[in-house]
Amino acid sequence: AQRVTQPEKLLSVFKGAPVELKCNYSYSGSPELFWYVQYSRQRLQLLLRHISRESIKGFTADLNKGETSFHLKKPFAQEEDSAMYYCALREGAGNNRKLIWGLGTSLAVNP
Amino acid sequence: EAEVAQSPRYKITEKSQAVAFWCDPISGHATLYWYRQILGQGPELLVQFQDESVVDDSQLPKDRFSAERLKGVDSTLKIQPAELGDSAMYLCASGSGGLQAFFGQGTRLTVV
Repeated sequence: AQRVTQPEKLLSVFKGAPVELKCNYSYSGSPELFWYVQYSRQRLQLLLRHISRESIKGFTADLNKGETSFHLKKPFAQEEDSAMYYCALREGAGNNRKLIWGLGTSLAVNP
Repeated sequence: EAEVAQSPRYKITEKSQAVAFWCDPISGHATLYWYRQILGQGPELLVQFQDESVVDDSQLPKDRFSAERLKGVDSTLKIQPAELGDSAMYLCASGSGGLQAFFGQGTRLTVV
């Protein structure tokens, strides 16, 4: 069965420090991975997806099939990055495949 | 900017009562999702619509939950009767091309 693991419930860093939010997945096929973010009192929103290979708000994430990971990274954290981050996996084919969500990591960036 | 609209934002109901939530997706989005999110956990898909058809309701407790999207636009999720364990945030999302990019602000349900 597919599973998404975010090992850290809470991650606390200082402003300007590098940050890495971990995501590991379990899936035998070709997955599609996503990161979603929810800022305080705002709605959940898509941050980035692995197939886009883009940097959003300074964040990047690389799919590592060997390690079955999709860690979210940012070289210099900002206070406005404080939020809840969710990693999600979707089976590789078809538009009606549902997302499997991790439990989320709460990132706190301290001044 | 277009947004997914949900109402009500908050709902308190007594157990065994009926409760309903409404979602209006972004115009033109054929796919609509209802999620339940319990505090401290990630969202759990309850039901997924493609236009007016249900494509996945495998996690929907069908003895008490029902969902409809009669005209393929807005949708209603109903719980009858509500139980204490149903207290959660209920999220609606919409998308096109299989991408779930747009979420509503959710309805926080408290069953007392």
